[in-house]
Amino acid sequence: DIQMTQSPSSLSASVGDRVTITCRASQGIRNDLAWYQQKPGKAPRRLIYVASNLQGGVPSRFSGSGSATEFTLTISSLQPEDFATYYCLQHNTYPWTFGQGTQVEIK
Amino acid sequence: QVQLQESGPGLVKPSETLSLTCNVSGGSLSSSSYYWSWIRQPPGKGLEYIGRIDYTGNTNYNPPLMSRVSIALDTSKNQFSLRLSSVTPADTAVYYCARVFKGPDYWGQGTLVTVSS
Repeated sequence: DIQMTQSPSSLSASVGDRVTITCRASQGIRNDLAWYQQKPGKAPRRLIYVASNLQGGVPSRFSGSGSATEFTLTISSLQPEDFATYYCLQHNTYPWTFGQGTQVEIK
Repeated sequence: QVQLQESGPGLVKPSETLSLTCNVSGGSLSSSSYYWSWIRQPPGKGLEYIGRIDYTGNTNYNPPLMSRVSIALDTSKNQFSLRLSSVTPADTAVYYCARVFKGPDYWGQGTLVTVSS
């Protein structure tokens, strides 16, 4: 299986901060990577697909970059509604695998 | 707008079979453009891929679950289903169904299934 190592596992940040989350794949996955946001008791919501494409309806402060084995999700200016857990997912090779999640908390 | 809704028992006894259905509205399971997937999340933990099915009925399953899982399509009802046999408390989780287009895009709200006697 492809291992997705997500870092950090948690972070504390303030409203307005720039936040970066990284996912590293144990082998190359081209750009077959998506980023999700999950709030407590809710289903995950896709933010980014194919590594860098913004899902419709998602604010432009979210962006994704990377290819092959290293990927980044950036929130350019953290807003109160962005406090949540974020996951990456590789769908290049079966079984699809998720990162372990990054919990973004209020500082 | 595609909407997915899971349904099924919230409590299953150990060694029995978990059965869930995902009703899809606003989109057709007969479309060749999409896969349809099940994903689960144990309480307080991360997300785990269970498997997916395409419009022909071709399936892929996560190897640790492969001997116990099956996913099927019912295009007449625009539903797809999950069966997981011989469940244990480790199978307690929120189960999500999702449409897949370049990764899961639309998700159901999820349904909690508890395995307990």
